Amino acid sequence: GENVEQHPSTLSVQEGDSAVIKCTYSDSASNYFPWYKQELGKRPQLIIDIRSNVGEKKDQRIAVTLNKTAKHFSLHITETQPEDSAVYFCAASSDQTGANNLFFGTGTRLTVIP
Amino acid sequence: DTGVSQNPRHKITKRGQNVTFRCDPISEHNRLYWYRQTLGQGPEFLTYFQNEAQLEKSRLLSDRFSAERPKGSFSTLEIQRTEQGDSAMYLCASSPRGRGPVETQYFGPGTRLLVL
Repeated sequence: GENVEQHPSTLSVQEGDSAVIKCTYSDSASNYFPWYKQELGKRPQLIIDIRSNVGEKKDQRIAVTLNKTAKHFSLHITETQPEDSAVYFCAASSDQTGANNLFFGTGTRLTVIP
Repeated sequence: DTGVSQNPRHKITKRGQNVTFRCDPISEHNRLYWYRQTLGQGPEFLTYFQNEAQLEKSRLLSDRFSAERPKGSFSTLEIQRTEQGDSAMYLCASSPRGRGPVETQYFGPGTRLLVL
């Protein structure tokens, strides 16, 4: 099955700086890569996703890049704000499996220091 | 609130007792997923439904676990003879049609289970 690894496990940045979280996946059939933000005690919320037919996607301060050859994808947050503090999970899925279930990384706890 | 809802939000039980959780997906979403999340880990897939049919189950889903989605709307997850290792957050997610490209999964707030 798919194995998703995520680094770093914790990340502290000063407000206004950029944050980068990296993930690798093992199954070349994976073709959908969402990122979820989970605040303490709350549900995971999708912040951005990317499909394997594109290499980069951007939404305001958030961007995701995908390298299919190397099987890794990254989340970039620019101009970080204190409200960006949360746990971020990457995930991978394939439309070639019936379930299309998500395989998650272990999460990155991002702390933005005011 | 038109998002995915789950009840109860918290459950404390004694080892050996049975518990049941409920998930109400977003209206008209055909796919419904159950995931389990332990502290410091990402969610792990347990099972999923396409309408009322349970089509796949993870090896994590032991015989003590059973899930239903009788009318293709809400779903229940029951754990029989709970063990301390069952303590976790149980998350439900739903997605729209279930054909073609993978679609976004929308998560509920979860049910946090503590087995004493």
